[in-house]
Amino acid sequence: LAKTTQPISMDSYEGQEVNITCSHNNIATNDYITWYQQFPSQGPRFIIQGYKTKVTNEVASLFIPADRKSSTLSLPRVSLSDTAVYYCLVRGYSTLTFGKGTMLLVSP
Amino acid sequence: GAGVSQTPSNKVTEKGKYVELRCDPISGHTALYWYRQSLGQGPEFLIYFQGTGAADDSGLPNDRFFAVRPEGSVSTLKIQRTERGDSAVYLCASSLRSGGEGTSGDEQFFGPGTRLTVL
Repeated sequence: LAKTTQPISMDSYEGQEVNITCSHNNIATNDYITWYQQFPSQGPRFIIQGYKTKVTNEVASLFIPADRKSSTLSLPRVSLSDTAVYYCLVRGYSTLTFGKGTMLLVSP
Repeated sequence: GAGVSQTPSNKVTEKGKYVELRCDPISGHTALYWYRQSLGQGPEFLIYFQGTGAADDSGLPNDRFFAVRPEGSVSTLKIQRTERGDSAVYLCASSLRSGGEGTSGDEQFFGPGTRLTVL
């Protein structure tokens, strides 16, 4: 299973754009890159998923370079409610393998 | 609509006891997953079901852990002879399907978890 490496924590302020980069050097051809968000005392929540290039939805963008060995989750104009743990995963077609995630703290 | 629900939300038990944790997936979801999350760690995969059968149980730590999904909907995770190290939040997730080779699989929707404390 491909292992992911991401920063343990990040700090930001309201209104700023936040970019969280994840490395996954041994990603397999069939693996997708998926990001989840988790608030305290809740289960993880799907944010975005992609295979290559760029994916955008209503909450985030995901940038994946051509070699797919890394990816960057971009959160535009964060708010206090975006304070959470963000997990980068590479997945095959079934199970998810979580790392420790990145604790994002957004301050006023 | 209703999301994934798990009961109980909290369970305190004594070492050596038997516990059952229940998961009600989203209606119509054929795939169901169990994960375990310890403090400060990401969720750890335990087992997943496609329909009634366990498609992958490679994450179960030992034979004290067992899970069933007899009718392809509700699932129960069973832990025998509980140990203090079993204390964690047990998360259940469901998806429309698990996907096939070369596909991404569907988004997994997680429940709030059951916090198990073994004294």
